Amino acid sequence: QITLKESGPTLVKPTQTLTLTCTFSGFSLSTTGVGVGWIRQPPGKALEWLALIFWDDDKRYRPSLKNRLTITKDTSKNQVVLTMTNMDPVDTATYYCAHRVPFMETYDPWGQGILVTVSS
Amino acid sequence: SYELTQPPSVSVSPGQTASITCSGDKLGNKYACWYQQKPGQSPILIIFEDTKRPSGIPERFSGSISGNTATLTISGTQAMDEADYYCQTWDSTTVVFGGGTKLTVL
Repeated sequence: QITLKESGPTLVKPTQTLTLTCTFSGFSLSTTGVGVGWIRQPPGKALEWLALIFWDDDKRYRPSLKNRLTITKDTSKNQVVLTMTNMDPVDTATYYCAHRVPFMETYDPWGQGILVTVSS
Repeated sequence: SYELTQPPSVSVSPGQTASITCSGDKLGNKYACWYQQKPGQSPILIIFEDTKRPSGIPERFSGSISGNTATLTISGTQAMDEADYYCQTWDSTTVVFGGGTKLTVL
């Protein structure tokens, strides 16, 4: 059974850097084809894909946020970390991590999500 | 940048068939998948690779693709199917979600 859980601060101030951790079980990020992605959802709005890291450490980012995002993995800890710099109130959202189905651009399952509020 | 277009809302009567469309340039040349999201919950995958249903997803959910439009069909819609539905695909090196469709079961 695959599970993922997001952790990190629920409140950050404008201009600060957000660091979120996705801790997962039921799969290994060293297995060929596997990936973990981050997706966010502002309150009342649509899903927005942010980043993806593959088993081979290849990385993909949302083009409009590429300069602010960094995704890394710690295979030994079964964790993926997302950092987003220069946080702004418009970045207030629920942030999800999700398991990328091997060799498919599909996410299943998702973590429970963490609501991050950006406010001074 | 690549975009997927969904209707903001769809209404259906219980027991009837609901169809939710998702349009994108050359979508027929890619794979689309669909997620269901109920209020306060995380999205759940209900259709992948255009037409395939993960285990545990009821048979009343089906997917199809025609030209540049993917369609999620819910047959015999139930009250529990009231939710937001998102399509998703992959373009070049990025993942793209549609704007979501709120399904109301009246």
